[in-house]
Amino acid sequence: GAVVSQHPSWVICKSGTSVKIECRSLDFQATTMFWYRQFPKQSLMLMATSNEGSKATYEQGVEKDKFLINHASLTLSTLTVTSAHPEDSSFYICSARVGREGIYEQYFGPGTRLTVT
Amino acid sequence: KQEVTQIPAALSVPEGENLVLNCSFTDSAIYNLQWFRQDPGKGLTSLLLIQSSQREQTSGRLNASLDKSSGRSTLYIAASQPGDSATYLCAVNYSGAGSYQLTFGKGTKLSVIP
Repeated sequence: GAVVSQHPSWVICKSGTSVKIECRSLDFQATTMFWYRQFPKQSLMLMATSNEGSKATYEQGVEKDKFLINHASLTLSTLTVTSAHPEDSSFYICSARVGREGIYEQYFGPGTRLTVT
Repeated sequence: KQEVTQIPAALSVPEGENLVLNCSFTDSAIYNLQWFRQDPGKGLTSLLLIQSSQREQTSGRLNASLDKSSGRSTLYIAASQPGDSATYLCAVNYSGAGSYQLTFGKGTKLSVIP
């Protein structure tokens, strides 16, 4: 149980185009999902917290107009990288949270490798 | 602001050795701590989750300890195997930002030599 999928697993796009990444919880519902970015040899950096039915909360330094997050259902959150540039090339990982206050646990997706040429 | 540090950044051991990975965090007001494994180009696999009220957790050859007061955790791997080669990430779940976020360390890259 507690499987999170991401689609696509990798994508190459041209500079200036937009790319959408999907994150799904396959066998459970998640009111909260998280989006992380990981640069080579670096750790995961939280980009935003996605709450079902409400606006996402972005971390400091993350442009909300560039990284659009939609959490339309309890099993799906999407991240759209708009007007992508080469510096947006990274490994994007989502996670879904289960549990209750103080006893939360996150399950992570397999990640999406984005390369912007 | 919570900061998580992992030492060493990289570790190479011969097959069969026991080893310890270290994790330290600056804010002891945590809810839990998780150890993850990440293979190259892949997502994260959760290995062990220790609640703040617990001292240790065990799963097979893995044992994780938590000393919340000193801000430290260790991951002990017994009888290491080449298949254990991966990057191990430590993450703490805390409420300092009010939203129960996970803060990750940079990881320890483990290589087990056959």
